[in-house]
Parts: sequence; C-alpha cells; structure tokens
Amino acid sequence: DAGVTQSPTHLIKTRGQQVTLRCSPKSGHDTVSWYQQALGQGPQFIFQYYEEEERQRGNFPDRFSGHQFPNYSSELNVNALLLGDSALYLCASSLGFGGRIGYNEQFFGPGTRLTVL
Amino acid sequence: GQNIDQPTEMTATEGAIVQINCTYQTSGFNGLFWYQQHAGEAPTFLSYNVLDGLEEKGRFSSFLSRSKGYSYLLLKELQMKDSASYLCAVRDPTGANNLFFGTGTRLTVIP
Repeated sequence: DAGVTQSPTHLIKTRGQQVTLRCSPKSGHDTVSWYQQALGQGPQFIFQYYEEEERQRGNFPDRFSGHQFPNYSSELNVNALLLGDSALYLCASSLGFGGRIGYNEQFFGPGTRLTVL
Repeated sequence: GQNIDQPTEMTATEGAIVQINCTYQTSGFNGLFWYQQHAGEAPTFLSYNVLDGLEEKGRFSSFLSRSKGYSYLLLKELQMKDSASYLCAVRDPTGANNLFFGTGTRLTVIP
C-alpha cells in the first residue's frame, strides 16, 4: 500500500518564478492538506482540499494556490517566488474532511525541498 | 488564532526518561497531536488526546489537561533513534482535520 508521495524531491528556482508541486495521497484517502515548513520551524498550514475544492486556508497570500483532481491527487502552485518561500513543502492526506467525532489521522509525505535563489 | 509553545531543544541520556511539554491557546479545542520528525523526513504520528488524562502507547505516553491548555509527551527507556524533533499540534477548532503546529522540540539522546 503506497503512502503519500510527492514530487519533485528537490527544486531550485529564482525569485519571481513560478513553481508547481505535486502530491498523491495515501490509497483510500480523499483529503489533501499542504504545509510549509521553514528550517527549524514546525509545519504551517497552507490549505486543504476535499472534493476538488479548497475547504480551509491558513494565513498565506494568494500567490499560493492549489488544485485537487478527481483521483484525489493535488498540486500546490506558488507564483512570484520570494526568497522567504524557501522551505520544505509537506503534503498530508486523510480520509474525510472532518466535522465528526474523533479524528482522522493525517499521513505526511516526504516533502519537496524548495530553494529560491 | 492558535498559539502553541514548546521548548526548542532538549538533551537526555540513553535509557533515561524525558518529558516534552506543550502549552496551547486556541479559540476552541478539537484534539491535540504529537508527531515525531527525523531530520529530512516526514512527520510521523505518535499520539492523539482529546480528553483529559494519560494515553500510553509502549515507550511513549501523552498527557492532556484541557483546563490548563497543557500537554506533555513522555518518552521512556530512551534510545539513540529517538533523537528527532517532536511536534505538538492542535486540530483546527472548526472541526476540520488540518493541524496547527508548534515550532517543535529537537531532542538529542546522548550515550
């Protein structure tokens, strides 16, 4: 059973460029969340997709956008890259959007290391 | 917003017990998680608490006091492989299952 996969593993871009990161959720999962983790910090929630719609969003500018496909995979797009966007981008998948008693454990992928020069 | 605090670094000796504390201030509460993250790897789930008390799972235990906004992760019989960052996170108060993380505690286990 494949876990969460992300591509690419590493990426180097220059300021002002655009980048697309990809994520395939764990088999059977339908919800994908994206997090940004700067060096030495905890992951920061960017947004969450369920049923191909953005359902929740953290405190990130509109330069960060995403998409979810019918097969539940997802993309994270970042426009007009800044040096401060350099980070590890983590994708996490879970079953169901939430709003129920109990919890739905999030499984994290290995991340994409983005370096902006 | 959500505010989660935990110590930045801790050091402990192999075979010992270490307690990593986490305090939180949130607009609501829907559960608290602990994740382990080795350098360069993805976070992996350790524990979940939504009711007050202690949850034990092998060498790892997690405690929650909702009235105090406080949790701790207890690691027993420390092993060298336990050297990692330990992330405290609270679930979105709205009920959605996204998480808000603290900065993480980097634990170093020494011989």
